[in-house]
Amino acid sequence: EAQVTQNPRYLITVTGKKLTVTCSQNMNHEYMSWYRQDPGLGLRQIYYSMNVEVTDKGDVPEGYKVSRKEKRNFPLILESPSPNQTSLYFCASSAQEYTEAFFGQGTRLTVV
Amino acid sequence: GEDVEQSLFLSVREGDSSVINCTYTDSSSTYLYWYKQEPGAGLQLLTYIFSNMDMKQDQRLTVLLNKKDKHLSLRIADTQTGDSAIYFCAEITGAGSYQLTFGKGTKLSVIP
Repeated sequence: EAQVTQNPRYLITVTGKKLTVTCSQNMNHEYMSWYRQDPGLGLRQIYYSMNVEVTDKGDVPEGYKVSRKEKRNFPLILESPSPNQTSLYFCASSAQEYTEAFFGQGTRLTVV
Repeated sequence: GEDVEQSLFLSVREGDSSVINCTYTDSSSTYLYWYKQEPGAGLQLLTYIFSNMDMKQDQRLTVLLNKKDKHLSLRIADTQTGDSAIYFCAEITGAGSYQLTFGKGTKLSVIP
């Protein structure tokens, strides 16, 4: 089954403790991206990647890092999480730039 | 930067038509999308339209694009309770960029 898998689905952590949210897709897609969804703000793109070792900033990259060492994986790293990073995070992938983006189920992160 | 605007809420009676509106500011938008998000789930592509089209119909869904006014609408005919969800308008602009810009989403409530 074609899918985008994020882990974990839920995470509560403390300020400053490094964490990684994993994202994996099994569709051999070139394009992958991370979004955060906040009430009243919709979805905002954090980072995106157009291929292995090619990443670029989205609209809200501050406080986040990503890497794309393999085509299927695109982890989101929070080196020093802060409470304002409490949000619902989505990973997405697509075959081409303009084609359908497939979304993961989301990761609800709470930073206390 | 680019901006995509939508009204936040819409209520309709079951069986009526729903019309969700969206305006965008980037005249170089090439593809415009409608995504649906059901509670607790990720986003799912409903339909999309190329910027050189005026209208696209897909079963109960009709997308209208007015490029002059930068206005996009999604009409859902014979709205059902299963259509209750948040609907996001999104745009992608130009080649060489993978920045999908989303509106804040319109929450559609269908009254039985």
